[in-house]
Amino acid sequence: DTGVSQNPRHKITKRGQNVTFRCDPISEHNRLYWYRQTLGQGPEFLTYFQNEAQLEKSRLLSDRFSAERPKGSFSTLEIQRTEQGDSAMYLCASSPEGDTQYFGPGTRLTVL
Amino acid sequence: QQQVKQSPQSLIVQKGGISIINCAYENTAFDYFPWYQQFPGKGPALLIAIRPDVSEKKEGRFTISFNKSAKQFSLHIMDSQPGDSATYFCAAATPGTYKYIFGTGTRLKVLA
Repeated sequence: DTGVSQNPRHKITKRGQNVTFRCDPISEHNRLYWYRQTLGQGPEFLTYFQNEAQLEKSRLLSDRFSAERPKGSFSTLEIQRTEQGDSAMYLCASSPEGDTQYFGPGTRLTVL
Repeated sequence: QQQVKQSPQSLIVQKGGISIINCAYENTAFDYFPWYQQFPGKGPALLIAIRPDVSEKKEGRFTISFNKSAKQFSLHIMDSQPGDSATYFCAAATPGTYKYIFGTGTRLKVLA
């Protein structure tokens, strides 16, 4: 399977814990995007990378959130001191040039 | 100005009928308009996309109609099938970052 993969698919954590998600993009896609989707809503942009450079972050990405894309390959999204409001589906998408984006299956986070 | 308004919120269509979903935007800087299909618990899958220099694009049973002057675009699903039952999202993006602004989604149900 050469699509975008995300791990884990599901994560249940207690409030205050740290969590980290991983995204593996389609090979040779320069751009990688993170979105967050809450129940019944469309995805909302969080941040994106062009190769290893993080070029834009949304206001939604508080200082508890950090994302990296070392060596321009896979990316990680870390949430520190999780809150119940962080419960959502976290989606990763990759793209060769930005316009056409291919989404992964997402990581469903539940904060108890 | 960054919003994309999508309607209807839900839609029920008989098998073989035409499903029509509409989106409207304000930001004239948007230049890429994709439609995504999402099944429960899955990531969005790209259906079809259009740029504003084209008024219509067709791929199989899916057609996008684009009205630049009205700042509206729509998805038509011809010969709708029960397997098309899913949530559909329109999106818009500006050149450069291509961070998607998604509509709120339309839950389509096709009755057998």
